[in-house]
Amino acid sequence: DQQVKQNSPSLSVQEGRISILNCDYTNSMFDYFLWYKKYPAEGPTFLISISSIKDKNEDGRFTVFLNKSAKHLSLHIVPSQPGDSAVYFCAATARVGNTPLVFGKGTRLSVIA
Amino acid sequence: IAGITQAPTSQILAAGRRMTLRCTQDMRHNAMYWYRQDLGLGLRLIHYSNTAGTTGKGEVPDGYSVSRANTDDFPLTLASAVPSQTSVYFCASSDVSSGNNEQFFGPGTRLTVL
Repeated sequence: DQQVKQNSPSLSVQEGRISILNCDYTNSMFDYFLWYKKYPAEGPTFLISISSIKDKNEDGRFTVFLNKSAKHLSLHIVPSQPGDSAVYFCAATARVGNTPLVFGKGTRLSVIA
Repeated sequence: IAGITQAPTSQILAAGRRMTLRCTQDMRHNAMYWYRQDLGLGLRLIHYSNTAGTTGKGEVPDGYSVSRANTDDFPLTLASAVPSQTSVYFCASSDVSSGNNEQFFGPGTRLTVL
């Protein structure tokens, strides 16, 4: 049973437009959420995170929104750039007990110039 | 250079052979993790260790073992490799005392079992 779901395996966006990547979770104990970015032949790198006490966190072109009632979060990239083309993983954890991160299956973003 | 190193970068292995994937971090993080990445399946946790001397099972532990003799090293062993263990393996670490559980990943080991 998948606790973290990324239902879109891939997404194509034109350069300069907004990219929106979605993630749903089922475990109500999750209280911290992270997005990772992965280029081919490299390890995932941390991008942005959000605590369950917030509904938005912004870092430059990247914003993560959290809707706790819907158990849904999204990553917005504005404006999208060709260098943003990568696989994006959503992850969640329950910080009590140092629970390991649970990852979604990833969404491959292609930003077209 | 601070970070996580993994060895080997890639390996082709005959089925039935024993193989140890090495992972070393120099950030003094207390927690370490092993994941496998397979197409369409994302990152799945194999084993983890919250501190030296302790280990725990993840989502897909069968066929793998780990040890955590010290803070820096977290080797993953395949006692008798099978073709279904063909995958890309990532080691990661985190400082759980930071409260955010952000994990730092190594560059990965691509393993092919024939």
